Amino acid sequence: GAVVSQHPSRVICKSGTSVKIECRSLDFQATTMFWYRQFPKQSLMLMATSNEGSKATYEQGVEKDKFLINHASLTLSTLTVTSAHPEDSSFYICSASNRGKTDSPLHFGNGTRLTVT
Amino acid sequence: AQTVTQSQPEMSVQEAETVTLSCTYDTSESDYYLFWYKQPPSRQMILVIRQEAYKQQNATENRFSVNFQKAAKSFSLKISDSQLGDAAMYFCAYRSALGTYKYIFGTGTRLKVLA
Repeated sequence: GAVVSQHPSRVICKSGTSVKIECRSLDFQATTMFWYRQFPKQSLMLMATSNEGSKATYEQGVEKDKFLINHASLTLSTLTVTSAHPEDSSFYICSASNRGKTDSPLHFGNGTRLTVT
Repeated sequence: AQTVTQSQPEMSVQEAETVTLSCTYDTSESDYYLFWYKQPPSRQMILVIRQEAYKQQNATENRFSVNFQKAAKSFSLKISDSQLGDAAMYFCAYRSALGTYKYIFGTGTRLKVLA
């Protein structure tokens, strides 16, 4: 089945530093990838839609200068949390859809737990 | 805009019994997809079952089945012969058949399975 690899699974960083999270589709091409944020015991909140070769589309209320998204290839999207602060601590999940299958479901990475100290 | 509502924050079921999780949605579109995802404590999102809106037949995957009522915009998940491993958060999700693959998730239902 389709696999999405997300790395790292856990990261602890100091306030003011930047953290990069990678999302790779391992056995399919993903024209579109999605980045979600999930607070404890809450649902997934869509942050942005990452399109290969073009700028990401951010949801209302998400700071694009703080959460930088790059989708450089059909198998890789990255989310960089810039100048991280403790309130950015959360669980971040990426997902991807198969370019060749318009009706395929989303495939999710295992998530990244970010802790900013 | 589309919305997905899960009105049950938490449900409990005895092992081997059957439980139904509710989901309603709102859309003006006629063609779309509906999904149930499971999120165990590991936080990995696992696809449980999917339904295409144009199909009248309810989807079934082993012990999991749905009751899809398009006119009522209802999409409930039935879990039969519940197992301890079914304990997780369950999210209902909607996706348009057009445009991007953006999913809209409900707020989730936490399922507890009692031994």
